[in-house]
Amino acid sequence: QKEVEQDPGPLSVPEGAIVSLNCTYSNSAFQYFMWYRQYSRKGPELLMYTYSSGNKEDGRFTAQVDKSSKYISLFIRDSQPSDSATYLCAMSASGTSYGKLTFGQGTILTVHP
Amino acid sequence: GAVVSQHPSRVICKSGTSVKIECRSLDFQATTMFWYRQFPKQSLMLMATSNEGSKATYEQGVEKDKFLINHASLTLSTLTVTSAHPEDSSFYICSASGRLTTDTQYFGPGTRLTVL
Repeated sequence: QKEVEQDPGPLSVPEGAIVSLNCTYSNSAFQYFMWYRQYSRKGPELLMYTYSSGNKEDGRFTAQVDKSSKYISLFIRDSQPSDSATYLCAMSASGTSYGKLTFGQGTILTVHP
Repeated sequence: GAVVSQHPSRVICKSGTSVKIECRSLDFQATTMFWYRQFPKQSLMLMATSNEGSKATYEQGVEKDKFLINHASLTLSTLTVTSAHPEDSSFYICSASGRLTTDTQYFGPGTRLTVL
């Protein structure tokens, strides 16, 4: 069993839709949770960073962490074609600067006009 | 701020040759750098972690004699793929973190290696 499971999709939605991306994990030591966006042939770009359980909102993006269920989500409101990318969840037990990040497989998202 | 660059962005080489990839933090001091490998449609897999001035720590299953990592300064780390073979073809991505990067890693744009 992988430490982090993420539905690879692909996911295709119309412009303006609400997108829900999810990851589950098995390692209860994970405390730091991140979502990265990766465009084709580019490095990942940090979107959201959350410590422990709870919600965090940044513009059109909302990250949710439920540690009791070992489940994290990223919601994208009013999705735009420019949101088309691969979204990777990542987790760490010991802080992201110095600790190992464990990534999900990534979900390919396409937002069509 | 917090920009990480990689060079080259793409390299094609013959089997048996060695290839060096550079990772630079442009506007901060990177006390720790990480090297990842990503195969098509797969996630990033951590290969090794290096701290400035120390030997790199390799993940299980990664051959340290094949993937040589040097982190000689606070702004530069290099990954050398020695005696490259077609199965080493992949997308190699570095990330860096430092004292002023607010507890996160910043990723470079990646290097696509193709071994013929």
